[in-house]
Amino acid sequence: DQQVKQNSPSLSVQEGRISILNCDYTNSMFDYFLWYKKYPAEGPTFLISISSIKDKNEDGRFTVFLNKSAKHLSLHIVPSQPGDSAVYFCAASGLGSQGNLIFGKGTKLSVKP
Amino acid sequence: DAGVIQSPRHEVTEMGQEVTLRCKPISGHNSLFWYRQTMMRGLELLIYFNNNVPIDDSGMPEDRFSAKMPNASFSTLKIQPSEPRDSAVYFCASSLAQGDEKLFFGSGTQLSVL
Repeated sequence: DQQVKQNSPSLSVQEGRISILNCDYTNSMFDYFLWYKKYPAEGPTFLISISSIKDKNEDGRFTVFLNKSAKHLSLHIVPSQPGDSAVYFCAASGLGSQGNLIFGKGTKLSVKP
Repeated sequence: DAGVIQSPRHEVTEMGQEVTLRCKPISGHNSLFWYRQTMMRGLELLIYFNNNVPIDDSGMPEDRFSAKMPNASFSTLKIQPSEPRDSAVYFCASSLAQGDEKLFFGSGTQLSVL
């Protein structure tokens, strides 16, 4: 049973517009959430994170929103750029997980010029 | 720093053969993780080490899989014997300390078992 779900395998957005990537989780013990970005033939790289004590974290063009009651988080990219085209993984960890991240299956974002 | 280094980048082998994947974590990082990525299951944690000691190997699929970390700068993941269903991308990652969720991944090993 998947504890972290990314229900959209792909997303296509026009350059300059907003990209919204969604992630749902089922385990209420999760208290830390991360987004990783992956280009082809490379490993995932850390992008942004949020603790469960917050509902928003912003870093430049990237903002992550957390809705604990809905067990939902989203990543907003504004404005989207062609270089943002990659696979985005949502990940979560919880108390006692000792850094063991549970990853979603990823969403492939394509930003068209 | 060169980052996490994995070798080989690609491995093609025949069913039944032994496969050894190698990883050099970032110097100073105390935790090391082996992940497997497939289309069906996404990124799955196979095993992780802290200070060279295996902490959780519950993700290792079968006894055919084994992992070692003889020192702080080297780890191996071995599959013996390999099977076609083992075909996947295997990633090694490291982090500064146990409980640090910010992982640094290597570029992965693309394994194809024919």
